[in-house]
Amino acid sequence: GAGVSQSPSNKVTEKGKDVELRCDPISGHTALYWYRQSLGQGLEFLIYFQGNSAPDKSGLPSDRFSAERTGGSVSTLTIQRTQQEDSAVYLCASSLGAGTKNIQYFGAGTRLSVL
Amino acid sequence: KQEVTQIPAALSVPEGENLVLNCSFTDSAIYNLQWFRQDPGKGLTSLLLIQSSQREQTSGRLNASLDKSSGRSTLYIAASQPGDSATYLCAANSGNTPLVFGKGTRLSVIA
Repeated sequence: GAGVSQSPSNKVTEKGKDVELRCDPISGHTALYWYRQSLGQGLEFLIYFQGNSAPDKSGLPSDRFSAERTGGSVSTLTIQRTQQEDSAVYLCASSLGAGTKNIQYFGAGTRLSVL
Repeated sequence: KQEVTQIPAALSVPEGENLVLNCSFTDSAIYNLQWFRQDPGKGLTSLLLIQSSQREQTSGRLNASLDKSSGRSTLYIAASQPGDSATYLCAANSGNTPLVFGKGTRLSVIA
């Protein structure tokens, strides 16, 4: 596609429910990143996929968070048993590869509200 | 561990003024330093990327500089316009690592 696409754009859920957030990266981009933007906290890294390598999960805040990337393209971020502190904007980015020169292109994000 | 700091947190200027946004980072072993713009309720738009071997990049009225030895980058905006009002984010990465972001500077350009 023309850019990074994320869905849904907004999600309201009740505490304790599971949610799935989707990211469609730019076609041909091998690297995919998930970030979280909380009010007053800035952007924090969650998880990173590069090609067929094992993902870097070092940023995931708890074992309630997980992500998959199927076929090296679409990625799904799953949050189980949501808590109010999970409320944030979840941003996905993709790049041609990792390392130097690779500009990360961001989607518009999914705004998650946990009631 | 890389830490990125941006000052000021917020800035308000009259239209037409030139301005500088500041970014500092603690680990000088960076590969890229990237400046983004974020409009309310929107994602991030990449403005400029400076590789570690470069000192500056220019795009239109924007100029970003990088001084690795002092751990600083600046974003210079010339002849500011109300449409420049947004939050500007600075981010750095080292090798095959995700970006580490500052908390941003919220810019308001008053007509």
